[in-house]
Amino acid sequence: RKEVEQDPGPFNVPEGATVAFNCTYSNSASQSFFWYRQDCRKEPKLLMSVYSSGNEDGRFTAQLNRASQYISLLIRDSKLSDSATYLCVVNPEYSSASKIIFGSGTRLSIRP
Amino acid sequence: DVKVTQSSRYLVKRTGEKVFLECVQDMDHENMFWYRQDPGLGLRLIYFSYDVKMKEKGDIPEGYSVSREKKERFSLILESASTNQTSMYLCASSLPGLAGADTQYFGPGTRLTVL
Repeated sequence: RKEVEQDPGPFNVPEGATVAFNCTYSNSASQSFFWYRQDCRKEPKLLMSVYSSGNEDGRFTAQLNRASQYISLLIRDSKLSDSATYLCVVNPEYSSASKIIFGSGTRLSIRP
Repeated sequence: DVKVTQSSRYLVKRTGEKVFLECVQDMDHENMFWYRQDPGLGLRLIYFSYDVKMKEKGDIPEGYSVSREKKERFSLILESASTNQTSMYLCASSLPGLAGADTQYFGPGTRLTVL
């Protein structure tokens, strides 16, 4: 089993729709979690951190479920500009940046 | 605004050539990373450096070496390029310790093709 798993997609949804995708992780002791966004042929950029209580940033909501070992990303009122690959990132050791594990990404395509 | 630059966006080399990929960051970050990204495999860490002249092997260091002589510059070296090293190479930097665990800033990537 991969340490961090994501559905590769692609998710193809109409503009204005709500879309959600999950990411599972295998190390139950993992400490911190993030979503990165990667546009086509560009570098990954931090979208948001994921906190235990869940957090929201505009149209984006991130949730953590420690019991089932997954994090989720919900995008409401999707825009064409949301089309990208979303990378789930897990840090199993809170103090060590070198242990960060990137998922292989979920591709999202928003159609007009 | 953090800026991480990489020496080339596209590079084509022949099997057996020695290849240098350069990365420079302007934010005085202690941590620097080299990843490769391949379809379906995500980003995989090749090497990590947490200070000048300090390095740590990542998950896939075989066939690669690194050099960090100055804080702002981290070089990845392919001693003898092979076709299975054809990939997108991404450099990143971050702050040390707990802060570094949160956010990595990436360069634009170098797409290397080895013929």
